[in-house]
Formats: sequence, C-alpha cells, structure tokens
Amino acid sequence: DTGVSQDPRHKITKRGQNVTFRCDPISEHNRLYWYRQTLGQGPEFLTYFQNEAQLEKSRLLSDRFSAERPKGSFSTLEIQRTEQGDSAMYLCASSLDGYTFGSGTRLTVV
Amino acid sequence: RKEVEQDPGPFNVPEGATVAFNCTYSNSASQSFFWYRQDCRKEPKLLMSVYSSGNEDGRFTAQLNRASQYISLLIRDSKLSDSATYLCVVAAMDSNYQLIWGAGTKLIIKP
Repeated sequence: DTGVSQDPRHKITKRGQNVTFRCDPISEHNRLYWYRQTLGQGPEFLTYFQNEAQLEKSRLLSDRFSAERPKGSFSTLEIQRTEQGDSAMYLCASSLDGYTFGSGTRLTVV
Repeated sequence: RKEVEQDPGPFNVPEGATVAFNCTYSNSASQSFFWYRQDCRKEPKLLMSVYSSGNEDGRFTAQLNRASQYISLLIRDSKLSDSATYLCVVAAMDSNYQLIWGAGTKLIIKP
C-alpha cells in the first residue's frame, strides 16, 4: 500500500490521559498536514510540515497539542491531558502536487 | 462569516435526477478549488479539481466564478452510490496552500 497510513484507526481514552497518533505519508511527498474533523463539519487545519520543519500551527492547536516530523518522513501528533472536546477524527494528508489523505484516527475521550 | 460556506442540506433527490450544489468563499486570493466526497465515517476523497474554464468528468461538472467567488458542482443522472457528503475546498498560496473546507452538503439519492 503506497497511500498515507494512520495509526491507530480508533482510540478510546479517558479524560486526562495522553494519546499519540502516527502518520506515514507517501514517501516522496515533502508536505504533511494534520487536520481535525468533528461531526457535521469540514476538516480544520491544525499544522503543516515541509520536510521536517513545522511551518505553521493553527490557533486550534493549544499547548496540549504537539506534532513532530523528526526525519521528514512519518509524523506524530500528541495530545496531552485529553478533554472531551478533543473527540474528533484526526486526518493526516501528504502532498507533492495534490493531496492524499489517510483514513484518519477517530479519537473518543470518555 | 465562514471562509467557505455551503448549504448543509440534506438534499433528497430521486435517482436519475440532476442536482446542483453551490459554495461561496471569502478569500479573494484563493487559487485552488476542489470538490471532495466523504462517505459516513470515512476520510474525504478528491472528486475533482475546479478550473477557471470549468471542467467535466463523466456525470460531474464543476464551475468556478471568480468574480462572485463561488464554485458549483452539478451531478447528472444521479445514482444511489452518489449519496454522500460533498465538501467544497479552497486553497491559497498566502496560507501555504492549506485546505480550507466547507462543512459539506449532504446528498441522499432515493430509489
């Protein structure tokens, strides 16, 4: 499979716990994006990497959120001290010319 | 005002009918325009890019009106499998081409 992979597909966590998601982009794609989508809404931009450099972060990305792309390949998104409002689908996309989305990680905070 | 606005629907349409969606965007610097399709609990998938001259792909036709800042999608001879949410998306160079999404229009095709 040469598409964008995200892991895990689903995550249920208790409020206050930390979670980490992983995204493996298409190997030749140098841009990587994280988006968050809640029910009934379109995806919202969270952050963007060009190779290993994090070039932009949305105001939505509070201090509890951190993203890395250490070697310009895979990326991780960590949420610390999760809150119920963090429940959403977290989508990763990689881009060279067009975008390719992963299947997303669905987070439920209980 | 949202940057990209769509009628949320749902549009309930009989099979075989023609249906059209519109979408308006607020950033006049927007340069790239897309329609994505999203099935329930799945990731969005690119349906088609939208070009200034308009473009057609089978039963789907997309139009762009830069002066009025709106995009349209026309689906002809609708099929049951067209039932999905259709998301209007724009991107601008001044925002690193990050995608700005509408909330989507839900389409239900009835037999």
